[in-house]
This record gives sequence, C-alpha cells and structure tokens, in this order.
Amino acid sequence: DTGVSQDPRHKITKRGQNVTFRCDPISEHNRLYWYRQTLGQGPEFLTYFQNEAQLEKSRLLSDRFSAERPKGSFSTLEIQRTEQGDSAMYLCASIPGGRETQYFGPGTRLLVL
Amino acid sequence: EDQVTQSPEALRLQEGESSSLNCSYTVSGLRGLFWYRQDPGKGPEFLFTLYSAGEEKEKERLKATLTKKESFLHITAPKPEDSATYLCAFSGRSQGNLIFGKGTKLSVKP
Repeated sequence: DTGVSQDPRHKITKRGQNVTFRCDPISEHNRLYWYRQTLGQGPEFLTYFQNEAQLEKSRLLSDRFSAERPKGSFSTLEIQRTEQGDSAMYLCASIPGGRETQYFGPGTRLLVL
Repeated sequence: EDQVTQSPEALRLQEGESSSLNCSYTVSGLRGLFWYRQDPGKGPEFLFTLYSAGEEKEKERLKATLTKKESFLHITAPKPEDSATYLCAFSGRSQGNLIFGKGTKLSVKP
C-alpha cells in the first residue's frame, strides 16, 4: 500500500518566483485536500477536490494560488509571485469515498527568501 | 464558530509517567474527531477516529476517548519514542475539511 506522496519535499525560492507542488493521493481515493501549516500551528485547510472537481476554496487561498486535479488523479498547487509569508509546510491528504479519515503525505516545505 | 483548543501546549514526562492530553471542541454537527501524531518535518500520521460520545479506541500505549465537548488522549507508561506533537482535529461539514488545534508537544525523557 503506497501512501500519499508529495514532490518536492523541500523548495527554496526567491520572492516573486512561481512554484508548483505535486500530490499523488492513495490509489482510488476520490477526495483530495490541501492544507498549509506554519510553525507552531496546526494545518489549515486550503482547498478540496472530489475527483477532478474543485469544490471548495478557503479564504486563505488568495488569487496567487491555484490548484488543479486533472483526471481526478494527482493534484498540483501553484503559487505565483511568492511572498515571504508563503513560507510554510504544504500538506496534501486523501480520503476514499464514503469515509471520513484523511491520510496525509509527508508535505512540501517551502522557504521564500 | 467551529473551533478546537488543545492543552497543554507542551508536556514533559519521564519514561513510564502516564498522563492525558486534552482537546476541547465547539462544532454544530460533529462528523468525526481525529487524533494525529506529527514528528518534526513530517506529515501528520493518523492515530484514531471517534464518532460519538462515549466511544473509546486504543492502540499500544495510547487510548482516545470522546465526550460531547472534549476528547482525551491518554498515554500509559510512555517511552521516549512517543515524543512528538499530537494534533486533534474535527470534521463538522459535509466537505469534510478538518479543523485542527495547535497541538500538544510531548517530550518523554528516559
């Protein structure tokens, strides 16, 4: 059983650059979530997909953020014109249909200089 | 407003010294209460899901319980490898997104 995978695990970028993260959920999990976690805080919800449809976006997801899940498989999260405040751990989680428990990936740690 | 509060923020125990972590929540319709363990630099690792008041679940040295307003994570005779941050979260909406507390950082000294 392969768990949720995320790539890259670490990313250092300069302010103003664009970055893209990838999440591969557990096979056949139709729901996929993105969260952001800063130091000393719990994860905060960003956005949610059911299959390929993006069904909800948090107010934390500014216009610089976009997420996709083509064909209902892997998902990407892009941040345009990164700011230092975007530095955080970006976590992806997936759930099989009809269940409530989310399984998290290892996260992508972003540092914006 | 839906919210969750964890206490204490940090807890230091000696190996073998049992204790409990608290998670207080306010939600209009609970769909599930979740406990996760998180090691530094890693994603949360699932521990337990509780759905209704009175429910209890156990795994090795950990036991989670749920009331209408609180959940407890009891740690019996902890070992140094139990050191981690323990996160509590609930799901209260049909979309299923989790609302997390800030966590309790547990340190177990040999």
